[in-house]
Amino acid sequence: DARVTQTPRDKVTEMGQEVTMRCQPILGHNTVFWYRQTMMQGLELLAYFRNRAPLDDSGMPKDRFSAEMPDATLATLKIQPSEPRDSAVYFCASGVLAGGETQYFGPGTRLLVL
Amino acid sequence: KQEVTQIPAALSVPEGENLVLNCSFTDSAIYNLQWFRQDPGKGLTSLLLIQSSQREQTSGRLNASLDKSSGRSTLYIAASQPGDSATYLCAVRRLDNAGNMLTFGGGTRLMVKP
Repeated sequence: DARVTQTPRDKVTEMGQEVTMRCQPILGHNTVFWYRQTMMQGLELLAYFRNRAPLDDSGMPKDRFSAEMPDATLATLKIQPSEPRDSAVYFCASGVLAGGETQYFGPGTRLLVL
Repeated sequence: KQEVTQIPAALSVPEGENLVLNCSFTDSAIYNLQWFRQDPGKGLTSLLLIQSSQREQTSGRLNASLDKSSGRSTLYIAASQPGDSATYLCAVRRLDNAGNMLTFGGGTRLMVKP
């Protein structure tokens, strides 16, 4: 049963620290998305990659956030330095670009910045 | 800019009731619309996907309809069960099909009481 995996599942850190979240997309999926979910804003797209190339990161605060795909099996989202307002659940999703197929979501990383 | 609204934000019903969740979107130029389910502390699971050329999709006790011209979709749940308790989100994919980007509604939090 193929699924998207994310690590860590939970992260508590102090303001100013670097946070790195990792995602392993489903094998064969060529599109990877990073979302952030908060009570106030709901689910927001931060960035997405197609064939490992970043296509849109307009939803991401670029001064502190960065997203990369070093290879087809790993996507990373980094926050440096972290701030309390970054506290949220961060989801990774993967899918196939062609056709109308759905995206498959990982379980999320719950981040708390104190 | 596409905006997706879900009403109601929360709903509590007794077990066995039939219920309808509503989703509206401002830009009718969509590629498809999806309904997702999110359980507490978990990622999203796709329930139904309706292509823009379709009017409805059914899966078990779930039926989703789409009226693209009026910018509305409904998710009908028949004979609700406590296990249906979750947050339901609708999401639309834009017509240009660029990268499978989705715009999400705020969700409807459903509780089905035994």
